[in-house]
Amino acid sequence: DSGVTQTPKHLITATGQRVTLRCSPRSGDLSVYWYQQSLDQGLQFLIQYYNGEERAKGNILERFSAQQFPDLHSELNLSSLELGDSALYFCASSAGAVNQPQHFGDGTRLSIL
Amino acid sequence: AQSVTQLGSHVSVSEGALVLLRCNYSSSVPPYLFWYVQYPNQGLQLLLKYTTGATLVKGINGFEAEFKKSETSFHLTKPSAHMSDAAEYFCAVSENTGNQFYFGTGTSLTVIP
Repeated sequence: DSGVTQTPKHLITATGQRVTLRCSPRSGDLSVYWYQQSLDQGLQFLIQYYNGEERAKGNILERFSAQQFPDLHSELNLSSLELGDSALYFCASSAGAVNQPQHFGDGTRLSIL
Repeated sequence: AQSVTQLGSHVSVSEGALVLLRCNYSSSVPPYLFWYVQYPNQGLQLLLKYTTGATLVKGINGFEAEFKKSETSFHLTKPSAHMSDAAEYFCAVSENTGNQFYFGTGTSLTVIP
């Protein structure tokens, strides 16, 4: 058990819809990272938050947004969903902001019909 | 930006045989290096990490990796494969001044009884 909790585990929705994925980091970790894992793209870094502020941005689409709340949990919002957004979305957390080992949750599997 | 190359998307070994999973990175400065393992329907779990110091790093489950600066490599090895080692393995790199992790495309390890 990594200590990182992601909800929901599975999500099925339709194109054009909006969903919110939730992540609770390990106790004491200040950084939260979001990744997208798909068969054709592999594991892609989306965005990092550290102590409530955006720290680094990767290959995140404009239709996607994230935030980290004062209690350090984070949400990833995906809107105007397309078939290609179907993937496994992972959250990871680490103690610090840079070069710390990341601890991953079990992911949210998003299926777009 | 960094790039991480994992040679061989699929590797098969016999139970008890040596496991060798290859990882090469591109960087002009020594990065931070990590190996993660992913079991089916689970998140990534940290196997081992290299930051500074001794170039041979020991991790969990009997795995180890050696950082070779001249070869820009960080290959993962285990002397004797066990059935429970069957999983997807990811090499990751983080620049020592940055926040972003770059993951390889993964190597699927099959252990043949």
